[in-house]
Amino acid sequence: AQRVTQPEKLLSVFKGAPVELKCNYSYSGSPELFWYVQYSRQRLQLLLRHISRESIKGFTADLNKGETSFHLKKPFAQEEDSAMYYCALTQGGSEKLVFGKGTKLTVNP
Amino acid sequence: GAVVSQHPSRVICKSGTSVKIECRSLDFQATTMFWYRQFPKQSLMLMATSNEGSKATYEQGVEKDKFLINHASLTLSTLTVTSAHPEDSSFYICSASGGRGYNEQFFGPGTRLTVL
Repeated sequence: AQRVTQPEKLLSVFKGAPVELKCNYSYSGSPELFWYVQYSRQRLQLLLRHISRESIKGFTADLNKGETSFHLKKPFAQEEDSAMYYCALTQGGSEKLVFGKGTKLTVNP
Repeated sequence: GAVVSQHPSRVICKSGTSVKIECRSLDFQATTMFWYRQFPKQSLMLMATSNEGSKATYEQGVEKDKFLINHASLTLSTLTVTSAHPEDSSFYICSASGGRGYNEQFFGPGTRLTVL
C-alpha cells in the first residue's frame, strides 16, 4: 500500500536559516507528489506539486525517484513560514490523496 | 476563487443523536468531493469520495451506515454521522475538486464534532 512518511513531527529554525522538511514515500507506480500547508487557524491549502516544478513562497521540492523522496526546501526561512506542512501523494490518475502525518515548522525570530 | 465552505464549524451533540455536516463549493462546480477525518495531532484520513449524483465510495474500515454521504448537487455534499458516540468526536474536513487546476483539491475549514 502507498505510504507517505514525514519523519519529523516538529522542526524549529531561526529566521534566515535554511529549512528542509523531509518526505519519503512508498508506492510502486508513478505517484504525483504534493506539499500542503496549514497556517494557524486557516484551512489546508496546496503549496506546490512536483509536476509543476515551480517555486512558491520561496519553497521548492524535487522528486527523487531513486530515493523515493520529495523534500521541501527553502534557503532562507521567514517567520510567516511557521505552519503545519503535509506531504501527500495521489496514485496513477486517482484524485485520492494520501497524507503524511505532517511536520510543524516553527521559525523563530 | 475556488472556495469551499463547511457548516457548522463546531457542533456538540449528545450520544445517540445524528449530526449533519454540509460542504459547499461556493464559486465552482465540484465534480468530486472528499471527506476526511483528522484526529488530534494526526494526519488527515480519507473517509470517502463522492461524485455528484452517485453513491459515495468509502475507504476500507469506514462504516457506510455510520457515515452517510450525499452529493446531491455539484455544489453541495453532506456527511451525516448517525447515532453518534464519543469515539466519533473528531475534526471532519471536506475538499472539492473540479475547479481550476489539474486534480487540485480545495479544502473546507473543517468541522469540530464533539459527542458527549
